[in-house]
Amino acid sequence: DGGITQSPKYLFRKEGQNVTLSCEQNLNHDAMYWYRQDPGQGLRLIYYSQIVNDFQKGDIAEGYSVSREKKESFPLTVTSAQKNPTAFYLCASSILFYAAENTGELFFGEGSRLTVL
Amino acid sequence: AQKVTQAQTEISVVEKEDVTLDCVYETRDTTYYLFWYKQPPSGELVFLIRRNSFDEQNEISGRYSWNFQKSTSSFNFTITASQVVDSAVYFCALSTGANSKLTFGKGITLSVRP
Repeated sequence: DGGITQSPKYLFRKEGQNVTLSCEQNLNHDAMYWYRQDPGQGLRLIYYSQIVNDFQKGDIAEGYSVSREKKESFPLTVTSAQKNPTAFYLCASSILFYAAENTGELFFGEGSRLTVL
Repeated sequence: AQKVTQAQTEISVVEKEDVTLDCVYETRDTTYYLFWYKQPPSGELVFLIRRNSFDEQNEISGRYSWNFQKSTSSFNFTITASQVVDSAVYFCALSTGANSKLTFGKGITLSVRP
């Protein structure tokens, strides 16, 4: 089945450590996104990538980094510079960002919950 | 700039009650798309509906119905005869199509009690 796979589902980190969240999709989508979800805050965009080897900052990119070396993969690194990293992280994908038929619809993974100890 | 407002934060109902989730949006574009997503306790956002700005026809899908009114910039979602499985966080979202990112509201937590 086509879809988006995020791993790990739960992750614990000590302060000062970097952690990387994995996101893989087999939908043949060009665009991929990372969102952060906090209680009562909705979804906030961290980074997005429209094509391989290209990505842009979203609304809350500070303390995060990404790479897009393959179309299928868009890993997110939460660095020690992120002051409050405990949150639920969602990865999503969509068809080509600039495609005329792109309605903005996103397809989501099941999320990764990061807790800083 | 785009904005989506979900003024209700938490709603609690008893099973079989009808419930309406409100969504108000702002955009200057004449072409746009509105979405509702459901987030059950498992975490994944599940797509429920997409509506484009040129189609104001209301839609019904089983117990779910959506009321799109451009005059009030609203896209409300009604669940008829709610069930415990409807308990989730519901997000309304807006996009202006190509080259546009999806803008989400803050979500409404719906609890349906048996």
